[in-house]
Amino acid sequence: QQQVKQSPQSLIVQKGGISIINCAYENTAFDYFPWYQQFPGKGPALLIAIRPDVSEKKEGRFTISFNKSAKQFSLHIMDSQPGDSATYFCAASIRGDGQNFVFGPGTRLSVLP
Amino acid sequence: DGGITQSPKYLFRKEGQNVTLSCEQNLNHDAMYWYRQDPGQGLRLIYYSQIVNDFQKGDIAEGYSVSREKKESFPLTVTSAQKNPTAFYLCASSTGGGSYGYTFGSGTRLTVV
Repeated sequence: QQQVKQSPQSLIVQKGGISIINCAYENTAFDYFPWYQQFPGKGPALLIAIRPDVSEKKEGRFTISFNKSAKQFSLHIMDSQPGDSATYFCAASIRGDGQNFVFGPGTRLSVLP
Repeated sequence: DGGITQSPKYLFRKEGQNVTLSCEQNLNHDAMYWYRQDPGQGLRLIYYSQIVNDFQKGDIAEGYSVSREKKESFPLTVTSAQKNPTAFYLCASSTGGGSYGYTFGSGTRLTVV
C-alpha cells in the first residue's frame, strides 16, 4: 500500500532524445508527487512536483504527466542533455503526515553525447 | 544562503564503535528527517522529527538513535547495534506535513573498517 514502483531501473538515451521514467502507486491518499534528481555523491534535489488536481505540469524541458485513475505518473525529459545524467527518484506523500513520504527505488539515466 | 549542512562528508567507523552524524539547517524548517541510501537502492527512512524534543521511528530505526534539542539540529548516532552501517546517509528538512517537498543535505558516507 505504501510502495511507489518506478521503472526502468536504468535508462540510456542519446543526446536530444526524450527520457521517460514511470512511477505507480497504490495509496489513493497520496496528494503530492515530486521528482528528485541526484548526482553522484550529492543529496537529491527537488526537480518538479505535481498535485492530483492537474494532469500535467511543465517546467522547461521537464514535464510530469499524472493519471489519477491509473494511479500512475511519469517524468518526461525533452531534448535530453549529458548534464541530465543522474539518478531520478519519484516520490509520493500525504499532506500532514511526515512519515508517509515514500520514494521510488530510482532510475539511473545516462545521456550519451 | 539557507540550506542543510551535513558533516562530516566521509566517516569511517571501527567495529563496535558508535558514531554521530551531524545535520544542521538554517531554513527555519520544523520537520527534519534521516534517510539511508544503499547503492542502487532508494531512500529508506530512519527517523523523523516534526517538532523540537519529539521524534518518531521510521522504517529502519533499529541500531540508530537521534535527538532534537534545537530546531536547527538533528544529529544521528549509528550505534554498534547497527550490524551493517556502511551506507550513504542523507538528512532532509521540510516546512512540515510533507506537502512542500524536502531539502536534502549533501550526505555523509559512512564506511565500517
